[in-house]
Formats: sequence, structure tokens, C-alpha cells
Amino acid sequence: GNSVTQMEGPVTLSEEAFLTINCTYTATGYPSLFWYVQYPGEGLQLLLKATKADDKGSNKGFEATYRKETTSFHLEKGSVQVSDSAVYFCALSIGNEKLTFGTGTRLTIIP
Amino acid sequence: DTGVSQNPRHKITKRGQNVTFRCDPISEHNRLYWYRQTLGQGPEFLTYFQNEAQLEKSRLLSDRFSAERPKGSFSTLEIQRTEQGDSAMYLCASSKTVQETQYFGPGTRLLVL
Repeated sequence: GNSVTQMEGPVTLSEEAFLTINCTYTATGYPSLFWYVQYPGEGLQLLLKATKADDKGSNKGFEATYRKETTSFHLEKGSVQVSDSAVYFCALSIGNEKLTFGTGTRLTIIP
Repeated sequence: DTGVSQNPRHKITKRGQNVTFRCDPISEHNRLYWYRQTLGQGPEFLTYFQNEAQLEKSRLLSDRFSAERPKGSFSTLEIQRTEQGDSAMYLCASSKTVQETQYFGPGTRLLVL
């Protein structure tokens, strides 16, 4: 079956630090890959996505590259801000249908 | 506001009672999904609709759960004879076509006492 494994949290960083949240996947077929973010008290929002190998998704300074050879989609940001504090979910879908999510990584940025 | 809306936002019920949640998707989105999220976990797929047709149901969806989407617009998720293990956040999402991003509502948090 399909599954997503992501870096366990919580992760605590200082403002302006470099961020990496690891995500690897197992899929039967050719998945599209997503990062969703859940800010405190809010619903899930799409952060970025990539639909084929070597695609790079980017948004709000975050980036992730679809690596088929390592089945990974790691989330990175060069300089985090306090406002980036949230829970981040890696997810996949086959044929852009139901999403399969990882367990989430809670990120806290301290000033 | 043209986002996905869910009602109620919170529901507290006693074990054995029935509860019903409603989801209103983004206008003209023909796909509607239900997920369940427990504390510290990612959302898990329950079921989805293409217009009014229910196309897939997860094994998580026991026979106490039923979902409908009459006329292909809003959807309801009913849980009969609730159990404490049903306590979770129930999320609804919609997408315009099979190729589009899923947009999530704020969720309904259920607590079964």
C-alpha cells in the first residue's frame, strides 16, 4: 500500500535558522507529493506540491524537490520566522485522488 | 467567504448517541472528501464523492458511519451509536476536478464521553 514517513518532531529552531523536515514515501504507481501546513487554530492549507520526478514545489520561501530515486520530498527553508510555527504534513496521492498523510511534524520557532 | 465550511465546529456527545456533521464544499467543486484526524496523527481518508456518487470508502468507515451527498452539493457524515474511539477531528475537503488540489475545511471536533 501507499505510505508516508516523515521526521518526528517536535522541532524547535531559532529564528533565521535553516529548516529541513524529512519525508519519504512508498507508493504503488506514480504519486503526486504535497506539503500541507496547519497553523494554530486553523485548518489544513496546501503549502506546495510537485506532480512528477525532479519537479520542485515552492511557496512562502519553502521548497521541496520530488526525488524519485530516493523516494523523498524533503521540505526546506533557508531562514525561518516565528510565523512559520505550525504542524507540517507530507502527503501523497495517486491520480490526484485521496491523500495519504504522514504523522506530521510540529515546528516551533523561537525569537 | 468561498472556502469549505463545516458545521458544527465542536460536538460533545455521550456514548451511544448519534451525531451528524455537515460539509459545504467550495462552489462548483465536484469532488468531496472526508478524513479523520486523531491527536498527534495525520488525517486518514474515510470516503469521497464525485458529485452525488460515493466512489470509495475506507475500511476505517465501519457500518456505524454513513455519508451522503444529495444533489452533489453539501455532504453529511453520520455516526450512529458513538463510541469513545470515535473522538477525533473530522475534516472535509473539496476539489474541482480529479486533477485539482484539495481544499480543507476547519474541521468538526467530536468528543464522545
